[in-house]
Amino acid sequence: DARVTQTPRHKVTEMGQEVTMRCQPILGHNTVFWYRQTMMQGLELLAYFRNRAPLDDSGMPKDRFSAEMPDATLATLKIQPSEPRDSAVYFCASGLVLYEQYFGPGTRLTVT
Amino acid sequence: AQRVTQPEKLLSVFKGAPVELKCNYSYSGSPELFWYVQYSRQRLQLLLRHISRESIKGFTADLNKGETSFHLKKPFAQEEDSAMYYCALSPAGTYKYIFGTGTRLKVLA
Repeated sequence: DARVTQTPRHKVTEMGQEVTMRCQPILGHNTVFWYRQTMMQGLELLAYFRNRAPLDDSGMPKDRFSAEMPDATLATLKIQPSEPRDSAVYFCASGLVLYEQYFGPGTRLTVT
Repeated sequence: AQRVTQPEKLLSVFKGAPVELKCNYSYSGSPELFWYVQYSRQRLQLLLRHISRESIKGFTADLNKGETSFHLKKPFAQEEDSAMYYCALSPAGTYKYIFGTGTRLKVLA
């Protein structure tokens, strides 16, 4: 049963530290999405890639967030420096065709 | 502005009662509309999409373009329907998604 995997599942860090979250999309999927989930805002699309190229990262705070796909099997989301307001659950999702996305289990980030 | 509004953060109903989760959207065009569900300790997953017009787990959703709504309905709620429900839209032909803030449905025994 192919699934999206995310590491780490939980991360607690201090303000100012760099945080890297990783996502392994389902093998063969060529579209990858990064989302942030908070109580107040719900689910927000941060960025998405197709064939490893970023299509849209307008939902991402540019000064501290960056997203990359070093290869087809790995997507990363980095926050540097992290702030308490970044505390949230970060989801990765992947898909192959339009309107298809399968979600990972999420990374719960706490910044103190 | 493109927006999805789910006015209820929490909706509690008794088992066997009808349920309706509200979703209104703001978009100048013809978006594709979806409902996603997240059960406790499970991943977010697609429940249904307007384009396919399917009924999944007894849920249906009707697109009302005049009222720009896509409410999710089920005639008889089950306890296993308790979950977080998100309404989402995607501008036609794009990979972009806009989600609402979600509604937590609690079905009481």
